[in-house]
Amino acid sequence: DAGVIQSPRHEVTEMGQEVTLRCKPISGHNSLFWYRQTMMRGLELLIYFNNNVPIDDSGMPEDRFSAKMPNASFSTLKIQPSEPRDSAVYFCASSPGWAYGYTFGSGTRLTVV
Amino acid sequence: GENVEQHPSTLSVQEGDSAVIKCTYSDSASNYFPWYKQELGKGPQLIIDIRSNVGEKKDQRIAVTLNKTAKHFSLHITETQPEDSAVYFCAASSPYDMRFGAGTRLTVKP
Repeated sequence: DAGVIQSPRHEVTEMGQEVTLRCKPISGHNSLFWYRQTMMRGLELLIYFNNNVPIDDSGMPEDRFSAKMPNASFSTLKIQPSEPRDSAVYFCASSPGWAYGYTFGSGTRLTVV
Repeated sequence: GENVEQHPSTLSVQEGDSAVIKCTYSDSASNYFPWYKQELGKGPQLIIDIRSNVGEKKDQRIAVTLNKTAKHFSLHITETQPEDSAVYFCAASSPYDMRFGAGTRLTVKP
């Protein structure tokens, strides 16, 4: 298995632009998580999907953030419009369920200038 | 919700020495405690985990202990090697709520 695949690895965009991050979870994992990592706040859970359904999006910072999981093999995290404070590393992770270890992707380093 | 505190934030040891990282949690409903290792430019990687019905688990040079009464758990790395240098995260999971500690940057000096 190739693990959790995220794209792009790096994204540099101008403030106000739309950004879309992509994730392919491990086949058979029914839970998918989006995390944001910064030096100041550490690893923050943004949203959690179970069987493609969003279960908890209380971590999504603002309405500018949205996430979708149209099928079991693909998820997107969209920021529109982007702001400099959104600069961070965004990780996608998948697992067989809540009380199991997560497999993280390599992350997308987002820089908003 | 769950709150996880992790100490120390940085740890430097000599190659061959042991390293211990400690975490405390607040939610008595937490029943799953994984540890992750994050190397530079990579995502966190699960290295060991423990469930609430077990007090200790070992895998080669790493071990984790859990004290449910005191709500704390620890990671022990013996015979450290330079490749153990990384950031280590503890986490605690109660139903539908997994929280991570702030991380410990471990440096193993050759």
